Amino acid sequence: DQQVKQNSPSLSVQEGRISILNCDYTNSMFDYFLWYKKYPAEGPTFLISISSIKDKNEDGRFTVFLNKSAKHLSLHIVPSQPGDSAVYFCAARQIQGAQKLVFGQGTRLTINP
Amino acid sequence: NAGVTQTPKFRILKIGQSMTLQCAQDMNHNYMYWYRQDPGMGLKLIYYSVGAGITDKGEVPNGYNVSRSTTEDFPLRLELAAPSQTSVYFCASTVPDDYGYTFGSGTRLTVV
Repeated sequence: DQQVKQNSPSLSVQEGRISILNCDYTNSMFDYFLWYKKYPAEGPTFLISISSIKDKNEDGRFTVFLNKSAKHLSLHIVPSQPGDSAVYFCAARQIQGAQKLVFGQGTRLTINP
Repeated sequence: NAGVTQTPKFRILKIGQSMTLQCAQDMNHNYMYWYRQDPGMGLKLIYYSVGAGITDKGEVPNGYNVSRSTTEDFPLRLELAAPSQTSVYFCASTVPDDYGYTFGSGTRLTVV
């Protein structure tokens, strides 16, 4: 049972435009949501997070939106840059227990010049 | 400051062999985790630890064992390697109330 889903395996965006990555979840007990970025042959790196009591969090070019009623979150990157080309993982934390994260399958973002 | 260090980076095992994947962190983090990443499947939690001497199973623990004798080290043991354990393994650490894990660079394991 996939509790966190990223239904788009890949996304291609032109440099300078907006990239929108989507994530859906099924477990109402998640209290925190995160996005990680991963380059080839490296470990994932933390990008941005949002608490379940908020609907938006912004950090520079990156904004995460949370729609609790739809159990959906999205990551917006504006403007997209070539260095943003990577795999992006959505993750969610359950309220109980050791800050374990449940990850989505990942979306490979390619920024074209 | 090295962060989270994983060794080896690559390994090929034969079916039935055993090995230990090493993970060490120098940030004095209480919480440590082992995940595996299979193509198109995201990261799945194998084992985790909230401190020295305390470990617990994650989502996919079968075929693995861990120990946590010190705060710094969290090795993952494969006793009888199987082809289904071919994967990329990531170790991560954090502290309470900090949601941003620090990940190691991974170990790519192939079982043939």
